[in-house]
Amino acid sequence: DIQMTQSPSSVSASAGDRVTITCRASQGIGRWLAWYQQKPGKAPKLLIYAASSLQSGVPSRFSGSGSGTDFTLTISSLQPEDFATYYCQQANSFPRLTFGGGTKVEIK
Amino acid sequence: QVQLVESGGGVVQPGRSLRLSCAASGFTFSTYGMHWVRQAQGLEWVAIIRSDGSNINYADSVKGRFTISRDNSKNTLYLEMNSLRVEDTAVYYCARDLGKGRWLDYWGQGTLVTVSS
Repeated sequence: DIQMTQSPSSVSASAGDRVTITCRASQGIGRWLAWYQQKPGKAPKLLIYAASSLQSGVPSRFSGSGSGTDFTLTISSLQPEDFATYYCQQANSFPRLTFGGGTKVEIK
Repeated sequence: QVQLVESGGGVVQPGRSLRLSCAASGFTFSTYGMHWVRQAQGLEWVAIIRSDGSNINYADSVKGRFTISRDNSKNTLYLEMNSLRVEDTAVYYCARDLGKGRWLDYWGQGTLVTVSS
């Protein structure tokens, strides 16, 4: 199975900060990677798919990059509504999808 | 707007069964693949069923115990869970497939399944 490792597990930041979250795959997955945002008590929301494609309706301050084993989610200017937990998900071993352990973005 | 509403969760003893439902609206259900994903701590993909029900896959952790199905005439997705274990305790989400079985673009609010004696 492909393992997905996110770092850091949590990050404290202030509104307006640039935040970067990393996801590493245990083997190469091409660009088969998505990012989701989850707020407490809510379902995950798709932000980015195919490593860098922005899902419809998602603000442009979110961006994704990477290929192979190393991927990055960047929030260019953190907004109050962005405080949440972020998960990466690989789709290379489709249909068996696996998720990273999550990164919690907290208020500093 | 796209809506997915899960139901059927509850408290059940180990070894017993439970059936979850996911009612879909706001889109043409019969043209989309659908997934079940669960969350105990992190997120774990459970199963996928293609739009016409012809192709189904499961996570190894539930294979042989869980059955995913759909009724396109009722716009409803199901998850039949048998031989439940304590480790199946989680919030279960249904999710719509964006395309090609790889991305989940809309999720329901989830239903909690607790397996406990």
